[in-house]
Amino acid sequence: AQTVTQSQPEMSVQEAETVTLSCTYDTSESNYYLFWYKQPPSRQMILVIRQEAYKQQNATENRFSVNFQKAAKSFSLKISDSQLGDTAMYFCALRRNQGGKLIFGQGTELSVKP
Amino acid sequence: GAGVSQTPSNKVTEKGKYVELRCDPISGHTALYWYRQSLGQGPEFLIYFQGTGAADDSGLPNDRFFAVRPEGSVSTLKIQRTERGDSAVYLCASSPRGESRNTEAFFGQGTRLTVV
Repeated sequence: AQTVTQSQPEMSVQEAETVTLSCTYDTSESNYYLFWYKQPPSRQMILVIRQEAYKQQNATENRFSVNFQKAAKSFSLKISDSQLGDTAMYFCALRRNQGGKLIFGQGTELSVKP
Repeated sequence: GAGVSQTPSNKVTEKGKYVELRCDPISGHTALYWYRQSLGQGPEFLIYFQGTGAADDSGLPNDRFFAVRPEGSVSTLKIQRTERGDSAVYLCASSPRGESRNTEAFFGQGTRLTVV
């Protein structure tokens, strides 16, 4: 079975500072994808960043980067220079390599304070 | 369309009633997914269509839930004899190909179902 765990229900950060959201997962597959999604109050899930498990290099997308530790099954998201618009729920998700369903964590509610 | 469209945006129904939730995927996307998101939780997988057929329906909680995609485009999630525990946001997502390494899923804004 595949599982995703986010142990931080809520986080807050000051505008312009850096915050790290944690995620651990479990899977028996050797190849898979990991994702971070943002869900603002509009409810629409927006892809923030993704990581292919067979790639050792950590993915980056502008202010967003990940720390992928395959042996530890850890996949944290770092947001640099936090902006008020980053306030949202953030979900970590796992998908097997060949596509199909996403397995989501419970989410972390991030508040960016001015 | 430009994005995944779900209708209605909100639906309130009485316990025991039948409801249908509609999803219009991005044009040309062959894969379509339904998820259920209860309050304060992450989305949970319900069913996945590849074209017209259900490739994986392992997430449907019981036989009150059923989904169709007769022409490989629009999908309808049907819930019979609704219960208060069915109250949740129902999310739909589509992707160009389901079983592919580089597939990205695009989500709609969901339908918030409230059973009173």
